[in-house]
Amino acid sequence: DSGVTQTPKHLITATGQRVTLRCSPRSGDLSVYWYQQSLDQGLQFLIQYYNGEERAKGNILERFSAQQFPDLHSELNLSSLELGDSALYFCASGGGRLNTGELFFGEGSRLTVL
Amino acid sequence: QQQVKQSPQSLIVQKGGIPIINCAYENTAFDYFPWYQQFPGKGPALLIAIRPDVSEKKEGRFTISFNKSAKQFSLHIMDSQPGDSATYFCAASIQTGNQFYFGTGTSLTVIP
Repeated sequence: DSGVTQTPKHLITATGQRVTLRCSPRSGDLSVYWYQQSLDQGLQFLIQYYNGEERAKGNILERFSAQQFPDLHSELNLSSLELGDSALYFCASGGGRLNTGELFFGEGSRLTVL
Repeated sequence: QQQVKQSPQSLIVQKGGIPIINCAYENTAFDYFPWYQQFPGKGPALLIAIRPDVSEKKEGRFTISFNKSAKQFSLHIMDSQPGDSATYFCAASIQTGNQFYFGTGTSLTVIP
């Protein structure tokens, strides 16, 4: 158990809809990262937050947005969904007080867009 | 631009073989090089990591070889087992910025 909690684990929705994925980081970690993993693809970095502030942005579409709240949990909002958005979305946390440099991944949220 | 290039994309070895996965990077500011292992339906988990002040690190059957001058690092799995069948990702980061760059992954299959 990595200590990172993601909900929901599975989500099926239709094109054009909007969904919210939630992530609770490991206790003490200040950074939250979001990654997208499509079938047989690598980990595509979407965005990073550190202690509530956006730290880095990767290949995140304009239809997607994220935020990190004061309690450090994070949400990834995906809107106007398209078939190609079907993927596993991972949240990872790190940058805690000890900051070993390690990223801890959740088990992912599998999004299916029909 | 891919910050970390990983090869091969897939690898099949017999049990007991020594699969080798290679990664290369360009940014000399990277100071932390982890390898992550991912089983189907699970999130990646840290397997082993190295910092550029050493050329090799071993943890059990897993070894990272690091060549700073060539800007390359590789993962060797000794006496590979069917349970090692997974996808392996190399990564590089600048610790102070906490930004991670992942390779494209290698799907390893170990045949009994």
